[in-house]
Amino acid sequence: AQSVTQLDSHVSVSEGTPVLLRCNYSSSYSPSLFWYVQHPNKGLQLLLKYTSAATLVKGINGFEAEFKKSETSFHLTKPSAHMSDAAEYFCVVSETTSYDKVIFGPGTSLSVIP
Amino acid sequence: DAGITQSPRHKVTETGTPVTLRCHQTENHRYMYWYRQDPGHGLRLIHYSYGVKDTDKGEVSDGYSVSRSKTEDFLLTLESATSSQTSVYFCAITGTVSGNTIYFGEGSWLTVV
Repeated sequence: AQSVTQLDSHVSVSEGTPVLLRCNYSSSYSPSLFWYVQHPNKGLQLLLKYTSAATLVKGINGFEAEFKKSETSFHLTKPSAHMSDAAEYFCVVSETTSYDKVIFGPGTSLSVIP
Repeated sequence: DAGITQSPRHKVTETGTPVTLRCHQTENHRYMYWYRQDPGHGLRLIHYSYGVKDTDKGEVSDGYSVSRSKTEDFLLTLESATSSQTSVYFCAITGTVSGNTIYFGEGSWLTVV
């Protein structure tokens, strides 16, 4: 069975410092992995996705994530936080062979301190 | 832009009335989903569809029904709205057309008074 764990419910960083949002997953099959961002009262916007190509995935707004199969992790990073990065972030896993299995992590709320 | 729109975007309705939310896509994706998002619960799947007239229940389907009579439209109906159904509802789509990427609508804010 699939599952997604986001290890921190809330992360707070200072502007200009690195961001690390952690995600671990379990999947019986080759998964597709995604990170989404949601700003207050907005929909979910795709940041990046992994679908078995390069293990280091670059996304929008300077974010990237590395797929580590041995650790079953897909952590999201950004070298330097910006105030506009303050939002809720969701790690999502889906099975590429079974689209009815889309599992959301509980979300990590990122605060950026000026 | 994945060509997905939800309507209405905001609605206030009274307890006991029926409500229908519409999700419309222009990209011919096979799979469509309805989620609700509530504080402390994240996103929870209500129903999903894997083709015209093919639907299945998610984890919080009680009190909701869906229909998909054509590829582009997926309707979510609250048969008799209750205050516990006050929530933000998101439609999502995916399939081989999008390279398995899941795209979300902008959300429908529903308040049941």
